[in-house]
This record gives sequence, C-alpha cells and structure tokens, in this order.
Amino acid sequence: DTEVTQTPKHLVMGMTNKKSLKCEQHMGHRAMYWYKQKAKKPPELMFVYSYEKLSINESVPSRFSPECPNSSLLNLHLHALQPEDSALYLCASSRVGAGTQYFGPGTRLLVL
Amino acid sequence: KNEVEQSPQNLTAQEGEFITINCSYSVGISALHWLQQHPGGGIVSLFMLSSGKKKHGRLIATINIQEKHSSLHITASHPRDSAVYICAVRLSGISSGSARQLTFGSGTQLTVLP
Repeated sequence: DTEVTQTPKHLVMGMTNKKSLKCEQHMGHRAMYWYKQKAKKPPELMFVYSYEKLSINESVPSRFSPECPNSSLLNLHLHALQPEDSALYLCASSRVGAGTQYFGPGTRLLVL
Repeated sequence: KNEVEQSPQNLTAQEGEFITINCSYSVGISALHWLQQHPGGGIVSLFMLSSGKKKHGRLIATINIQEKHSSLHITASHPRDSAVYICAVRLSGISSGSARQLTFGSGTQLTVLP
C-alpha cells in the first residue's frame, strides 16, 4: 500500500469556523509533512513531523495547528483563517532519512 | 535567484513528440526528485535520482551531478501526459536521521495536443 489519503477533498469555511484536515498513511513512514500550494506555484512546506514529534515549523501562523496523534495519522487544525489561506493543502510521508516522499491528493480549501 | 530552476515554464507538444524538461540547481544535493501534478491537485513521485539515469515506461530521467543538471524525457508523448512536472531537490548536509525537506522548482506546465 503506497497510498496517502486525505480528507476532506474539498472544504469551504468561514473565517470564524474551526475545521480539521486529516491525512493517513499505512506505509510505516515516520516522517509526515504538510504543504500549502497556491495556484500555479510549487508547494510550500508548512510543518514536518519526525517520529510523531514536530521537527520543523516554517513560521506558520498559529491559526494553523498540526497534530500527529500516532505514526499513521496527521491532522491540521484550522481556526480563524483568512481568505488568503485558500489553497490546496497537501500531505506527504516518507521514511526518515531516506526515500521518496509520497503525496496525498490534497484538500482544496476555500475560506470565505 | 532560485536554488532550483526549471525550463521551459510552459511546453506545448503534439502527440507522439519527444519531450525534454530541464532542471538546474545551484546547491549541493543528496537526491533529486521528479514529480507530476495533474489538474485537481495530487502529486505523484516519478523518480528519485542521486546519479545516472532511470527509466520507467516512456519516462526517462537523467542527472549530471558535476553539472548540477537533470532532465526528464517523455518519449511518444500522449495527451494524458499533460500535467505540471516539478523538479525538487533534497539538500545535502542534512543528517540521515532527519526528515527530508524538499526544495521545489517552479514547475513546467506540459500540454500534449492530440
């Protein structure tokens, strides 16, 4: 199984809402990543988890809150987002220290 | 200047043509990835290279470490190859025990016309 799944596929939320994005993999990968991608731009790294601990936070605003409850799951909690946060949010996973990153299909987020 | 530069930015080809997309980088790397992104979002990893050449079906990827350059070739192109192709590198000097960060190129939008 080389699949990374993400839910939901699409999300529309208001600026006062609280929502969560979910990412799951069963490849035994202990590194997991959140990326944000705006239209016609490459992905931008947001967070990296290594062995379920946050190892990199690329100065992401606190309205984005990641969580890695176990080695298969990665969540991104969203609160009080701004319209400019509308983007495709991609999750990826890999072995720590070696190997390819496997990407999920993404969640397309629209903040109204 | 970006650390990873891709060319061309946009490429339109007729079905059956041989296609080349180029990637140059200015930093030391431990690996280079070629990724494919179709409209709708999901990214698929095509190749990971640290030297030489790899082939998968109609796709061929090469890397020249001395020249800091990689190419992705598509033989007998088909409309279903239409996608954005992204070159991404893992910088060298990162410890083997750390999770891998990738530095991305800006992508090449390929359109193959029937």
